[in-house]
Amino acid sequence: QSALTQPASVSGSPGQSITISCTGTSSDVGTSNYVSWYQQHPGKAPKLMIYGVNNRPSGVSSRFSGSKSGNTASLTISGLQAEDEADYYCNSYTTSSTFVFGTGTRVTVL
Amino acid sequence: EVQLVESGGGLVQPGGSLRLSCAASGFNFSNYWMNWVRQAPGKGLVWVSRIKGDGSRTTYADSVKGRFTISRDNAKNTLYLQMNSLRADDTAVYYCGKSDWIDPWGQGTLVTVSS
Repeated sequence: QSALTQPASVSGSPGQSITISCTGTSSDVGTSNYVSWYQQHPGKAPKLMIYGVNNRPSGVSSRFSGSKSGNTASLTISGLQAEDEADYYCNSYTTSSTFVFGTGTRVTVL
Repeated sequence: EVQLVESGGGLVQPGGSLRLSCAASGFNFSNYWMNWVRQAPGKGLVWVSRIKGDGSRTTYADSVKGRFTISRDNAKNTLYLQMNSLRADDTAVYYCGKSDWIDPWGQGTLVTVSS
């Protein structure tokens, strides 16, 4: 149950688009449609941003989108805003009937 | 409004036990898988365990298997995590979360394992 691999940090200027990758294996991301993404501000509980690879819960901005190719899932934030500065985690169901989170990515708005 | 409220955290010595609770409201509790996720201070999220709505199926992360037990009381709309043989590396904020997409999350309860 090794954590999925994410870049430690990603940064961008307001209005730009950034993409966070989440690399797993054929035992998790590669074979699962249960891929989700979470946003966590300091001292707060995580918040679901994307589920089922590319679905947004109601209330989540359309600036957030998800995709998957092979063993790698991605979260794209378009039109970056100051409020998007946070930690982001991917999550995937595995062939062992467990879940695994990514290592986490700190997004900085320059 | 869906709400999850954890309780039961605190300071415990290595080798000790603790039981966490998660009180749920605002949804049909027995219809949903429920999860426990933890986060060590300054570290990332780690999935711990999940249980099916009727309690018939449970799964665990390798790091807690054999030491932690997840359970639920659907009559009380409450999820539990019994933690035994606690170690220093179990120190973390423990969150409960509803469903496979873990939405929403509770506010978390801090467990500190230290002598």
